[in-house]
Amino acid sequence: NAGVTQTPKFQVLKTGQSMTLQCAQDMNHEYMSWYRQDPGMGLRLIHYSVGAGITDQGEVPNGYNVSRSTTEDFPLRLLSAAPSQTSVYFCATMGQPASTDTQYFGPGTRLTVL
Amino acid sequence: AQSVTQLDSQVPVFEEAPVELRCNYSSSVSVYLFWYVQYPNQGLQLLLKYLSGSTLVKGINGFEAEFNKSQTSFHLRKPSVHISDTAEYFCAVRRTGGFKTIFGAGTRLFVKA
Repeated sequence: NAGVTQTPKFQVLKTGQSMTLQCAQDMNHEYMSWYRQDPGMGLRLIHYSVGAGITDQGEVPNGYNVSRSTTEDFPLRLLSAAPSQTSVYFCATMGQPASTDTQYFGPGTRLTVL
Repeated sequence: AQSVTQLDSQVPVFEEAPVELRCNYSSSVSVYLFWYVQYPNQGLQLLLKYLSGSTLVKGINGFEAEFNKSQTSFHLRKPSVHISDTAEYFCAVRRTGGFKTIFGAGTRLFVKA
């Protein structure tokens, strides 16, 4: 049982490049989400999903796309990277979307955009 | 909408001293409250949570927090800290029946020998 896994751990991109951050979970959790963490700003919600085929925007969705074709995977796509997207990205899951469940976090992906 | 304010960005404290990390929240509806800890270069892990019932919540590693509805606060306390408690601590809120969790900006706890 690996929990929540994220790949890659580190990534350096040039402005304008695209990439996909991967998130996978083996807990059969319905709810998955992406956060970015920036110094002094805590974690801000980018996108979330309450089940396969259902996604919605969080607080800071601009510049990011998501899809949820399976329960296990929730990739985050940067279509044209910008320096403002330099951050640490965390994927988090929760068993039931509207419940008392706790969120489980992946180890993070540290992204630098030059 | 909900919001969270962590009143201290950094808290230095000597080993074996008590510590309190302050958290205030804003919400017009009932909420769940959480404290998470993040050790260097790691993801977040849950310390404790308040869902309902007793306002004093005990968590892992000797931490506890008290929910105060009238003051809309959820301060985290530990009576005696260790060097290993050095980490960043996040307070978070989620409305009951909701799924979006809102995080505070974090408090960096430094425990000095």
